[in-house]
Amino acid sequence: DQQVKQNSPSLSVQEGRISILNCDYTNSMFDYFLWYKKYPAEGPTFLISISSIKDKNEDGRFTVFLNKSAKHLSLHIVPSQPGDSAVYFCAGANPNFGNEKLTFGTGTRLTIIP
Amino acid sequence: DTAVSQTPKYLVTQMGNDKSIKCEQNLGHDTMYWYKQDSKKFLKIMFSYNNKELIINETVPNRFSPKSPDKAHLNLHINSLELGDSAVYFCASSQKDRWGGYTFGSGTRLTVV
Repeated sequence: DQQVKQNSPSLSVQEGRISILNCDYTNSMFDYFLWYKKYPAEGPTFLISISSIKDKNEDGRFTVFLNKSAKHLSLHIVPSQPGDSAVYFCAGANPNFGNEKLTFGTGTRLTIIP
Repeated sequence: DTAVSQTPKYLVTQMGNDKSIKCEQNLGHDTMYWYKQDSKKFLKIMFSYNNKELIINETVPNRFSPKSPDKAHLNLHINSLELGDSAVYFCASSQKDRWGGYTFGSGTRLTVV
């Protein structure tokens, strides 16, 4: 049962344009959502998060949007830079359960074309 | 000065062997995890420990046994290795009362031949 889905395994965007990565979830108990970025042979690194009480969170070039009614979130990167080429994982969690288990999607490989 | 370090980075071993992967974090976090990334790139939780106490134990064969000697260390021992155990194993840590996601190690690529 895949509770977090990233339906686009890959995405190519030209440098300077906007990258939009999408994520859908089925578990309505998720209270918190996170995006992680992963380079080859490295562990995922935390990028940005959003609480379910918000619909938008912005950090520099990165903005995450949450649509709870549609159970959908998206990550916008603008402007896209070559260093953004990586695999991006979306994750959901409910820290109020007393543990901080993250449920991940399968990732989207973003390639920024110079 | 690595925050979450795992050893070894690569591990190639034969079926039936027993192996261990070590993890240490110097962030002062109280919770540590093991995640497995399989061939389909799915990152799934295996175990979590909070202050040396087992908190999460997902549906994992009992050939996998985590051990946490203290809150800065979480090791993973695997008995009787099988081909299907081949994967990348990630250790991670977090601080329970300061929710903000995990800090991951760089992973251990286990190949069973």
